[in-house]
Amino acid sequence: QQPVQSPQAVILREGEDAVINCSSSKALYSVHWYRQKHGEAPVFLMILLKGGEQKGHEKISASFNEKKQQSSLYLTASQLSYSGTYFCGTESGGTYKYIFGTGTRLKVLA
Amino acid sequence: NAGVTQTPKFQVLKTGQSMTLQCAQDMNHNSMYWYRQDPGMGLRLIYYSASEGTTDKGEVPNGYNVSRLNKREFSLRLESAAPSQTSVYFCASSEGQGGGHEQYFGPGTRLTVT
Repeated sequence: QQPVQSPQAVILREGEDAVINCSSSKALYSVHWYRQKHGEAPVFLMILLKGGEQKGHEKISASFNEKKQQSSLYLTASQLSYSGTYFCGTESGGTYKYIFGTGTRLKVLA
Repeated sequence: NAGVTQTPKFQVLKTGQSMTLQCAQDMNHNSMYWYRQDPGMGLRLIYYSASEGTTDKGEVPNGYNVSRLNKREFSLRLESAAPSQTSVYFCASSEGQGGGHEQYFGPGTRLTVT
């Protein structure tokens, strides 16, 4: 079951904040976040593991609510370089198979 | 350190033709993956290889086969291409399988089947 991301698209001005949500119908073991710029490969941003461990870039923050089977990515003081499509990937049941959401398109304007 | 490389970058096939997409990584990673990405869609896992010598099906394996040639290389074969396989194909690798390991993606192969 594909995780649901919201919003589908968001437009920001430089310096504004945004939150991207990822929700799954299954219990989650871990959540990955990636950013993809047009015509390029996805790039790793953050891993959140069951139990609270996190790994990722210093300027990116995220949360993982295991009970609600949700994760949120927080982008603060956005920069032009933050533009792109953000994907969450969720792993359920220790299968090691990642199911990715359909993405959130983020555009930051000067 | 090239990371994950894929060949070819672009390919046009006719229905029924076959081809192999090549992927190699130089990060000594154990796990490798093949995804497809259709317009407006997220990444869908086709096959993955948790370690050298093993492969397993992902979400959308029909119409594809894979070979984990050695620790570095993981190829994806389309035996009889169909227009529904028109997509961008990404190969990825990670140090290990499971949630604690980020995936590194190659630049992608843009495949069109006419």
